[in-house]
Amino acid sequence: AQSVTQLDSQVPVFEEAPVELRCNYSSSVSVYLFWYVQYPNQGLQLLLKYLSGSTLVESINGFEAEFNKSQTSFHLRKPSVHISDTAEYFCAVFTGGGNKLTFGTGTQLKVEL
Amino acid sequence: DTAVSQTPKYLVTQMGNDKSIKCEQNLGHDTMYWYKQDSKKFLKIMFSYNNKELIINETVPNRFSPKSPDKAHLNLHINSLELGDSAVYFCASSQYLAGELFFGEGSRLTVL
Repeated sequence: AQSVTQLDSQVPVFEEAPVELRCNYSSSVSVYLFWYVQYPNQGLQLLLKYLSGSTLVESINGFEAEFNKSQTSFHLRKPSVHISDTAEYFCAVFTGGGNKLTFGTGTQLKVEL
Repeated sequence: DTAVSQTPKYLVTQMGNDKSIKCEQNLGHDTMYWYKQDSKKFLKIMFSYNNKELIINETVPNRFSPKSPDKAHLNLHINSLELGDSAVYFCASSQYLAGELFFGEGSRLTVL
């Protein structure tokens, strides 16, 4: 069975500082990996995804994540955060065999002035 | 034009009552889901339908019954509501059986 671990439940950071949100997964088969973002009182939105190919994937708003197979990680990074990035971030893993998306417990990113 | 819409957004009810949440998607997707998000923001899949056929049914009490009248709609009916059912319920859809989901804005259920 697959599982996802997000080690940090909360990450406070000052505006314009860099940030890394950590995600590790476990699966015995090939996986697809995702980061979703949930702004307050809203549903989840897909931020970026890794399906195959280049291990570094980027979003349109400056986030990037790198798939590291040997470390079974898919950490999310942004070199300079903005106050509007304050949200809950969920890492998720999908395997074809299970036909379902399994989410981590989420990391609350709080950007302060 | 909302892609995945849920009604109602808020639901406050007494223990023992029966309630329904409706979901509609206009994306033309084949697969729809119900997820439950608890007070700690933990997300757990409950059900998944592909073209009106139930394909995922996690260990959810029998009091929860999904219904998919067509592939654009997936409703959730809950009987004999309990305090522990209080949560935000999210509907989602996807094309094919993959991890790229489109979520509704959620329905916050509070059981008193």
